[in-house]
Amino acid sequence: DAKTTQPTSMDCAEGRAANLPCNHSTISGNEYVYWYRQIHSQGPQYIIHGLKNNETNEMASLIITEDRKSSTLILPHATLRDTAVYYCIVRVVSQFYFGTGTSLTVIP
Amino acid sequence: DAGVIQSPRHEVTEMGQEVTLRCKPISGHNSLFWYRQTMMRGLELLIYFNNNVPIDDSGMPEDRFSAKMPNASFSTLKIQPSEPRDSAVYFCASSFLSGSQETQYFGPGTRLLVL
Repeated sequence: DAKTTQPTSMDCAEGRAANLPCNHSTISGNEYVYWYRQIHSQGPQYIIHGLKNNETNEMASLIITEDRKSSTLILPHATLRDTAVYYCIVRVVSQFYFGTGTSLTVIP
Repeated sequence: DAGVIQSPRHEVTEMGQEVTLRCKPISGHNSLFWYRQTMMRGLELLIYFNNNVPIDDSGMPEDRFSAKMPNASFSTLKIQPSEPRDSAVYFCASSFLSGSQETQYFGPGTRLLVL
């Protein structure tokens, strides 16, 4: 069963904010939302995670809706190096279900 | 911090041969994970260890696959005998489980081609 739903692909202009949505309508109360990205088949790279509150770090911001059924990852100023597949993951115990992710292409 | 270290980075072998993939987790981490990634199936969890003990191996495809973690700083994933359908990128990840939060850090992967 898919725990998260993401658009297959998105484009973003360089320098603009990239907003990547994720639907996780079956999330349980104690399950965290994690975001990872994978560049050119390198190992997945951790970006950010959250439970209920919005989170921000040096890479991105994570906005989680009040009902926790969806979230948005925001890359505030996308660069060409942000072109990657972005995975939204709901963590269940120690199991990360990666799904198919969103392929983000940053356009010059 | 060296991060998760995997070896070899690339492996080409012939069908029927034994393949051993190696992983050194981040020092201090208490959980280790083996994943496989293919175009068809995406990223799949094969097995994970906590404190060197296998917790869930339900993702291991069949008896040809085995994994060990003899100590906190080393793990192996072995395929014997290997088959062409085992061709994939194999990732190792490690984490420190603290309460309900856990961030997994991935290695660079081993690209396996079985001819």
